[in-house]
Amino acid sequence: DQQVKQNSPSLSVQEGRISILNCDYTNSMFDYFLWYKKYPAEGPTFLISISSIKDKNEDGRFTVFLNKSAKHLSLHIVPSQPGDSAVYFCAASALGETSGSRLTFGEGTQLTVNP
Amino acid sequence: DTAVSQTPKYLVTQMGNDKSIKCEQNLGHDTMYWYKQDSKKFLKIMFSYNNKELIINETVPNRFSPKSPDKAHLNLHINSLELGDSAVYFCASKQGGFSPLHFGNGTRLTVT
Repeated sequence: DQQVKQNSPSLSVQEGRISILNCDYTNSMFDYFLWYKKYPAEGPTFLISISSIKDKNEDGRFTVFLNKSAKHLSLHIVPSQPGDSAVYFCAASALGETSGSRLTFGEGTQLTVNP
Repeated sequence: DTAVSQTPKYLVTQMGNDKSIKCEQNLGHDTMYWYKQDSKKFLKIMFSYNNKELIINETVPNRFSPKSPDKAHLNLHINSLELGDSAVYFCASKQGGFSPLHFGNGTRLTVT
């Protein structure tokens, strides 16, 4: 039962252009969403998050959009840089759970930014 | 450096052996986790400890036993290793509420 899905395993964009990574979820109890970036042989690093009371959160070149009715979120990177090339994971949690508040991850999207 | 650190980074062993992976965080977080990234690249939660107490225990074979001697450490012991245990295991920690997980760099376990 895959509750968080990233349907694009890979995305390739030109340096300076916009990268849009998409994520869909099925569990309506999810109320906190995060994006992580992962380089090879390293652990995932936190990028940006959004709670369900918002529909947009921006941090520098990174913006996350949340569409609760569609159960969809997206990560926009503008402008894209070669150093952004990594695997991006979408994750979600339901704060109403125990204090453990597990994160459920998507399968990741490999972003390649070409110079 | 403040971080989540886990050792070893690579672990190659034979079927049937017992091995441990250690994890330490100096971020002052109360909650620690073990995640497994399988061959399909999914990151799946295995265990979670809050202040040394087990609070999440997913459907994991009982050959896997987490141990938390204090809230800064969460070790993973695996008995009778099987080929299917080959994966990358990530330790992580977080504060409560709306806060992100902080991950270690992973331990790549290969069972031959």
